[in-house]
Amino acid sequence: QKEVEQDPGPLSVPEGAIVSLNCTYSNSAFQYFMWYRQYSRKGPELLMYTYSSGNKEDGRFTAQVDKSSKYISLFIRDSQPSDSATYLCAMSGMDSSYKLIFGSGTRLLVRP
Amino acid sequence: KAGVTQTPRYLIKTRGQQVTLSCSPISGHRSVSWYQQTPGQGLQFLFEYFSETQRNKGNFPGRFSGRQFSNSRSEMNVSTLELGDSALYLCASSRQQETQYFGPGTRLLVL
Repeated sequence: QKEVEQDPGPLSVPEGAIVSLNCTYSNSAFQYFMWYRQYSRKGPELLMYTYSSGNKEDGRFTAQVDKSSKYISLFIRDSQPSDSATYLCAMSGMDSSYKLIFGSGTRLLVRP
Repeated sequence: KAGVTQTPRYLIKTRGQQVTLSCSPISGHRSVSWYQQTPGQGLQFLFEYFSETQRNKGNFPGRFSGRQFSNSRSEMNVSTLELGDSALYLCASSRQQETQYFGPGTRLLVL
């Protein structure tokens, strides 16, 4: 079993929809939780990060962490065709290094 | 502020050869990490350097090595290339654990 599980999709939604992306994890030592967006043939771009449990909002994006359920989510409001990309969750915190453990990524397609 | 730069962007090598990839982190960032991305395995951690010292290493064979220079620039080397080493190699730089910024990657094709 992988340490971080993420549905690969693809997830297809109409423009303007609310998108929910999720990851589950098995290691309770994870303390930092990140979401990256990766366009085709580009490097991952850091969207949001949270420390421990709770919610964080940035514009149309909201990240949630539920450590009791080992479950994290990214919500995208008013989705746009430009949001079409692969979304990767990542986690760290097991030791002093900055090693990230990634989910496999969810492909999102926002239809105009 | 300039982002993370990686050179070269594309590389074609043959089996048995070796390759060196370069990464220049964001100014002021002392941590540089390397990842391998493939369609089958996703993003996998190779190693992390901080102030010229390898702080952590992933589960890759000894053919994969790296180093960091005093100006925080980093290189990774893969010797005796195998077909399975074809991948996108990504470098990430950071000042804090929760904010790691990736470069565009080097796409390596091994024939």
